[in-house]
Amino acid sequence: KAGVTQTPRYLIKTRGQQVTLSCSPISGHRSVSWYQQTPGQGLQFLFEYFSETQRNKGNFPGRFSGRQFSNSRSEMNVSTLELGDSALYLCASVTSAGYTGELFFGEGSRLTVL
Amino acid sequence: QQQVKQSPQSLIVQKGGISIINCAYENTAFDYFPWYQQFPGKGPALLIAIRPDVSEKKEGRFTISFNKSAKQFSLHIMDSQPGDSATYFCAASISGNTGKLIFGQGTTLQVKP
Repeated sequence: KAGVTQTPRYLIKTRGQQVTLSCSPISGHRSVSWYQQTPGQGLQFLFEYFSETQRNKGNFPGRFSGRQFSNSRSEMNVSTLELGDSALYLCASVTSAGYTGELFFGEGSRLTVL
Repeated sequence: QQQVKQSPQSLIVQKGGISIINCAYENTAFDYFPWYQQFPGKGPALLIAIRPDVSEKKEGRFTISFNKSAKQFSLHIMDSQPGDSATYFCAASISGNTGKLIFGQGTTLQVKP
């Protein structure tokens, strides 16, 4: 069973640009969550999508957005990049085991903003 | 109230020793407490999880101890091995928020041979 696939794995952008990251969840998983990981702030929840609808949102500015397609693939977009957006962006595919799901993380997209 | 506090930030243990990582939370609505393990260059992976209706859960060398009244939980790694060297994150979640976890800051564990 293929795992969570994130593309691109590495990218470098400059301040003011925008970036789009892609995530393909495990086949059959309909929920996708996104997290930002930095040395200072750790793992922070960005948002969750289920059946193309945003189900939860973290405390990030509106520059951070996402969407999910009918095949459960998801994208997140960051506009007007700032230096502080440099981070590892992790996508997690969620299975509903019981009433709380297990998250299966991809290897992440490492974004560097110059 | 949404925070999960984790300690220590880093830990060095000799091979065969016991590694202990502690977490504390404030929000009593949390009802799912997983631990994730992350190796360099990889995403976190679920190690073990517990719900507040039990005080302890053991899977192999890994044990979660849960103290509901103190709002604390901990991970014990028995017979620690060099292959256990990784970063460990505790987390908490509320039922229904399946994809939203509140993570602790992480503990970098180094097991010396």
